[in-house]
Amino acid sequence: AQSVTQPDIHITVSEGASLELRCNYSYGATPYLFWYVQSPGQGLQLLLKYFSGDTLVQGIKGFEAEFKRSQSSFNLRKPSVHWSDAAEYFCAVGTSGTASKLTFGTGTRLQVTL
Amino acid sequence: ETGVTQTPRHLVMGMTNKKSLKCEQHLGHNAMYWYKQSAKKPLELMFVYNFKEQTENNSVPSRFSPECPNSSHLFLHLHTLQPEDSALYLCASSQDRMDSPLHFGNGTRLTVT
Repeated sequence: AQSVTQPDIHITVSEGASLELRCNYSYGATPYLFWYVQSPGQGLQLLLKYFSGDTLVQGIKGFEAEFKRSQSSFNLRKPSVHWSDAAEYFCAVGTSGTASKLTFGTGTRLQVTL
Repeated sequence: ETGVTQTPRHLVMGMTNKKSLKCEQHLGHNAMYWYKQSAKKPLELMFVYNFKEQTENNSVPSRFSPECPNSSHLFLHLHTLQPEDSALYLCASSQDRMDSPLHFGNGTRLTVT
């Protein structure tokens, strides 16, 4: 069965600093990979997704993620964090088939200090 | 505007009450989902409907009863809940393919007293 791990429960960065959120997955074939963001009181919003092709994918709000098969990772990055990026970030992995087979990580809460 | 609207945003109910959560999507998707989000736990998939037919029920207690009258509307009927059912309940929709991302509503914050 597939699984996804987000090793960092909570991260604090200063505004303007770079950010990397870690995501590791366990799945034999090439997975479908997603990053979602959840602001307080809101639902989850898709940041970016990877299915195939270029392993560096660009998303909304200046985020990007890189798929590294050898490390089973799909880390999320942003060169310069803004205070409005404070939120919870979820990595998700899926197999082929339907979206109901998506497995979510436990999330990383990002705090941004001014 | 997320395209997926959930009502109410907040709900407080006693353990003997009956209430319903409503979800509506305006995205033309054919699949709708109920998820439960509790603190410090991964998102839990509860139910999946595809073209109004329930395709998944992940061992959810019978005190939760879903209803999907058409591809745009989804309900979650609640009856004799327990305090541990207090959580954020999220509705989502998508095309029923893995490459179709989930679109979430803002959720209903449920408190069972």
